Amino acid sequence: GDSVTQMEGPVTLSEEAFLTINCTYTATGYPSLFWYVQYPGEGLQLLLKATKADDKGSNKGFEATYRKETTSFHLEKGSVQVSDSAVYFCALTTDKLIFGTGTRLQVFP
Amino acid sequence: GAGVSQSPSNKVTEKGKDVELRCDPISGHTALYWYRQRLGQGLEFLIYFQGNSAPDKSGLPSDRFSAERTGESVSTLTIQRTQQEDSAVYLCASSYRTGGRSNQPQHFGDGTRLSIL
Repeated sequence: GDSVTQMEGPVTLSEEAFLTINCTYTATGYPSLFWYVQYPGEGLQLLLKATKADDKGSNKGFEATYRKETTSFHLEKGSVQVSDSAVYFCALTTDKLIFGTGTRLQVFP
Repeated sequence: GAGVSQSPSNKVTEKGKDVELRCDPISGHTALYWYRQRLGQGLEFLIYFQGNSAPDKSGLPSDRFSAERTGESVSTLTIQRTQQEDSAVYLCASSYRTGGRSNQPQHFGDGTRLSIL
C-alpha cells in the first residue's frame, strides 16, 4: 500500500543553519505530496504542496521538490529560525491522505 | 469561524464508557477525514467521507469505532467501551475534492484530546 517514510528526529540545529528533512514515498499512481507543520500547542497546518513531478512547493522560506525518479520530497530551508521549531509531517494523497511519522525540529539561538 | 471546528477540545472518561466526538467542517468542503494521533507518533487515518458515497472505513481499528456524517455537514466519531489504548488526539480535517484525486489540501481542526482513565 501507499506509504511515507521520513527521517526520525529530533533534528537539532542552531539558528541560521541549513535544514533538510528527508521524505520518501511509495505509491501507486501519481500522488500529490504535502508538508504539514504542527507548532507547539497548535493544530496541523499545510506548509507547502506539489501535485506533479518536478513541481516545487515553497512557503515561509521552506522548499520541497517532487522527485519522481527518486520518489522523494525532501524539505529544505536555507536558514532556520527559532520560530521554525515544530513537528513536520510529510504526506501523500492519491485517494486519502497518508502521513509520515513526523520529524521534530528544534532550533536553538 | 472559517476553520474546522471540533468539540470537545478535551475529554476525560473512565475505561468502558462510550464517547462521542464532533467535527464541523469548513462550509462547502465535500470531503471529511478523521485521524488519530497518539503521543509522539504520526497521524493514523481512521475514516473518510466524500459526499454521498460510501465512507472509506479502512482505518478504523476495531468495531468499537464508528462514524457518521449527515450530507456534507457535521460528523461524529463514536468510540464504544473505551480502552486505555484509545487515549490520543483525534483530528478531523476537511477539503474540497476535485474529480478522482484529492490533491486539495486538507484543513485540520485543533483536535479532541481523549484521555481514558
